Amino acid sequence: GQNIDQPTEMTATEGAIVQINCTYQTSGFNGLFWYQQHAGEAPTFLSYNVLDGLEEKGRFSSFLSRSKGYSYLLLKELQMKDSASYLCAVRDARGNTPLVFGKGTRLSVIA
Amino acid sequence: SAVISQKPSRDICQRGTSLTIQCQVDSQVTMMFWYRQQPGQSLTLIATANQGSEATYESGFVIDKFPISRPNLTFSTLTVSNMSPEDSSIYLCSVLAGGPREQYFGPGTRLTVT
Repeated sequence: GQNIDQPTEMTATEGAIVQINCTYQTSGFNGLFWYQQHAGEAPTFLSYNVLDGLEEKGRFSSFLSRSKGYSYLLLKELQMKDSASYLCAVRDARGNTPLVFGKGTRLSVIA
Repeated sequence: SAVISQKPSRDICQRGTSLTIQCQVDSQVTMMFWYRQQPGQSLTLIATANQGSEATYESGFVIDKFPISRPNLTFSTLTVSNMSPEDSSIYLCSVLAGGPREQYFGPGTRLTVT
């Protein structure tokens, strides 16, 4: 079976740092993805981890521990426009298999 | 990258009717998928659209309810048949382009069934 867990909602202050956690249990593993989705829009790709460690891309960083089945997305210097849903997704097999998504974390950035 | 368009962008339909959603990609892609996103929920995979053969459906989704066509490498359709209010959702087309890490999504079709 497949199980991907992340918090339902989070609130953080403009300018602060927020960490969104994701734990997963899948039959296989071939990469963990983070997507951002603003209300009424399509998900857009943020990051991809397939090896353990931290991937940094500007204000966003993503971390993966395969042995723990754990990832987090770190958002620094929060801006109001970062208010969105953040979706954790896993590709559980090699090849061109589709992503399996968690339920998403709705982040609200407040002044 | 891949640019994906969907038609219609939204529709309001009566129960018992059917709606066909079109997905067009600006380049040839090997893999196309259809997802559903119910209000306030995340994305659930409906099926993989296979070019030249029957789609591969996920558990809980059947061909009679969600027939899919994929006549070529840039186009696919999803039909939502015999609709009920429970089918009210956003339906998203998605493709793999440029490698296994690059999965892109269309803008979605927002369906309301009354």
